[in-house]
Amino acid sequence: GQQLNQSPQSMFIQEGEDVSMNCTSSSIFNTWLWYKQDPGEGPVLLIALYKAGELTSNGRLTAQFGITRKDSFLNISASIPSDVGIYFCAGRTFFFNKFYFGSGTKLNVKP
Amino acid sequence: DTEVTQTPKHLVMGMTNKKSLKCEQHMGHRAMYWYKQKAKKPPELMFVYSYEKLSINESVPSRFSPECPNSSLLNLHLHALQPEDSALYLCASSQDREGRAKNIQYFGAGTRLSVL
Repeated sequence: GQQLNQSPQSMFIQEGEDVSMNCTSSSIFNTWLWYKQDPGEGPVLLIALYKAGELTSNGRLTAQFGITRKDSFLNISASIPSDVGIYFCAGRTFFFNKFYFGSGTKLNVKP
Repeated sequence: DTEVTQTPKHLVMGMTNKKSLKCEQHMGHRAMYWYKQKAKKPPELMFVYSYEKLSINESVPSRFSPECPNSSLLNLHLHALQPEDSALYLCASSQDREGRAKNIQYFGAGTRLSVL
């Protein structure tokens, strides 16, 4: 099946620092989604991307749909303690109504 | 409104019990999903319903039985589960527009299931 490689696996940063994480796929996707998940809760959608090259922001978050349509990155600027959680990328191919998930990036922010 | 509602939030059951998980959405979405998630792992797809018909079954054991009574509701019936089935069960929905853009998937808060 499809494989999404998400990196880094975990990050330990100081409050105020910027963060970057990315996902790469072996296949072309037509949708990339980025989620944040807190312990014991469901994933919450942060940003949705639909076109190659698209750059979208949501507050301090910025995500891009790669030109090759096989990758995406998420940046968080000026991190704060409530950014702590696990971030997942998810992609969908053109033909199937199925979303493939990356393995997650666990973010820790020290005040 | 982008809400997917799951009940119950927590469930403890024995291996001989029969229980059901429920999911509801009122966004007009025509695709609904069940995922299983273990701690620190990504969600793992179990089933997809599209226009109330089962379209994907990821080789899930028959002790899990999905049901989609109408376009807003999705159930997961549980019977004779094993302790290793303990996990967070997530429901999600999306517009179901194969081949079209802007197909966003929204998740519920999940049901934390413990099998004793």
